[in-house]
Formats: sequence, C-alpha cells, structure tokens
Amino acid sequence: GIQVEQSPPDLILQEGANSTLRCNFSDSVNNLQWFHQNPWGQLINLFYIPSGTKQNGRLSATTVATERYSLLYISSSQTTDSGVYFCAVTGGGNKLTFGTGTQLKVEL
Amino acid sequence: GAGVSQSPSNKVTEKGKDVELRCDPISGHTALYWYRQSLGQGLEFLIYFQGNSAPDKSGLPSDRFSAERTGGSVSTLTIQRTQQEDSAVYLCASSLGRAAYEQYFGPGTRLTVT
Repeated sequence: GIQVEQSPPDLILQEGANSTLRCNFSDSVNNLQWFHQNPWGQLINLFYIPSGTKQNGRLSATTVATERYSLLYISSSQTTDSGVYFCAVTGGGNKLTFGTGTQLKVEL
Repeated sequence: GAGVSQSPSNKVTEKGKDVELRCDPISGHTALYWYRQSLGQGLEFLIYFQGNSAPDKSGLPSDRFSAERTGGSVSTLTIQRTQQEDSAVYLCASSLGRAAYEQYFGPGTRLTVT
C-alpha cells in the first residue's frame, strides 16, 4: 500500500517563528489532507489539498503531486498551534493512510 | 452544522466483555469510516461504508470486530471478547462520497480494557 512519511518528527519553536512541515508519499493520490490533533485528541481539518496551493490565515499548504510531496507552512506561530500535525492520503482505495505525524511545541 | 458525533467519549471495560461504540455522521454524508489510534500502531483504518454497497472490512484486525450501519446513517462498531491490545481511541469519520472526498472526524471514543 501507499507509504506516507512526515518530517520532522518533532519541532520546538519560539512564539512568532515560522516553520515548514513536509509530507512525502510513495504513489499518486486523489486525496491529501492535513490535520491538527489538539490536546484533547480531536482531529481538526486544516487543508484538503490533493494538488495546488491553499492559504487559510497563518497557515498555507502546497502539494506537488507529480513529485509526491506536500508542505504545510505555519507563520507567526502561537502557543495554540502546539499539537500533532498529520498528513493523510488516499491512493484510490477506500481509506486514508496517515503519516506518523509531526509533534509541534510552541514556547513563549 | 453539526459535526460527526461519537458515544461514549470514554469506555472502561474488563477483558472478555463486549463493547459497542456509536457514530453519528454528518447529515447527508454517504460515506462513513472507522479508524483507531493506538500508541504502537498510529492511526489505522478499520472499515468503510458507502451508501448501500457492501462495506470494505479490510482493516478489521480480527473476527472479534464487526460494524454495521443502519439506514445509511448511524453506525455501531462492536468488539467482542475484548483484549488489552484493543485499548485505543476509536475514531469515526464521514465524507460526501468516496474516500477521495474530504473526511471529517468525530471526537473519538477512548476504550480502555483492564
């Protein structure tokens, strides 16, 4: 099945810093989603982005499907951005395959 | 509108007992998914329902696990004769159609088997 790798696994930032999270996948996809898992375990939808570029406030994402990667950009980070960020893809089957996540901690 | 809801939010059960977990998808969503999140296995797919089609059960870890979806809406995941390795957070998601559509997740049920 399709493989999803995320990097870095852990990231510590000072409030106000910018960061880039990466998601590599091993095959063509028809769905790619970025999620933020908050401290209560809820998966919050950030982007549905099988291709192209989207922006939502301080967050933006780019997926280059032909090169099999996606990037999530966080600008001017805040402590509320802390948590785990997951990339998940569907490669034509019936399920999302998740990466192992990036654990982000934003400090004052 | 209302999101995906799940109940109970927490469940503690003794080894060997049966448990039922409930998921209520977003109104109008024809596709429903169950996943689970555990420390050792990350987030993994369990089962997928789409309309009246036969469900995709390829992710169910053993025959102790089963799920049904009544009337194309609410779904129940049943685990029989629970084992300690079943302890995990069970997440339900729904989408407008096939898996290529954006999936929305519920808050999960945290299952602890003692």
